[in-house]
Amino acid sequence: KAGVTQTPRYLIKTRGQQVTLSCSPISGHRSVSWYQQTPGQGLQFLFEYFSETQRNKGNFPGRFSGRQFSNSRSEMNVSTLELGDSALYLCASARAGPRDEQYFGPGTRLTVT
Amino acid sequence: QQPVQSPQAVILREGEDAVINCSSSKALYSVHWYRQKHGEAPVFLMILLKGGEQKGHEKISASFNEKKQQSSLYLTASQLSYSGTYFCGTLNVGNNDMRFGAGTRLTVKP
Repeated sequence: KAGVTQTPRYLIKTRGQQVTLSCSPISGHRSVSWYQQTPGQGLQFLFEYFSETQRNKGNFPGRFSGRQFSNSRSEMNVSTLELGDSALYLCASARAGPRDEQYFGPGTRLTVT
Repeated sequence: QQPVQSPQAVILREGEDAVINCSSSKALYSVHWYRQKHGEAPVFLMILLKGGEQKGHEKISASFNEKKQQSSLYLTASQLSYSGTYFCGTLNVGNNDMRFGAGTRLTVKP
């Protein structure tokens, strides 16, 4: 069974730009969660999608948004990038939601300069 | 609110045991344990559910005290491959946004 894939793996952007990250979950998994990981704040929950609907959202500003497609693939978008957005962005797929085992992708390392 | 993990770091020799703790101030539905090696994604270890159900790897053991909202992960006869950062994630009763602790860095030396 193929694992969770994320693209791109690395990104360098400039302050003020926007970025879109992609996540393909494990086949059959309908839930995708996104997390931001930084050395200072650890793993922080961004949002969770199930069947194209955002079910849960963490405490992040509106610049962070996402969506899920009918094939369960998900994208997250960050607009008007700030230096503090530099982080590893991880997506995790699960069969039905975070109450199940979550399988993490390798992450996208975003650097904002 | 983030769960609190302790200790922050622990160093072991191969064969030694360790316990990692996770506690929350809110009523928990479940506790999830993950291990992350440097430069890699977190890997699922175990879920402990309110009511006593557990799902996870056979070689990993953990407990969940529902009254105290605490969980402990027991690593026995540690191996070099156990090295990594261990995270607990918690789901509170009534919602589905997982909160992770700050992590416990475990180093196993030969």
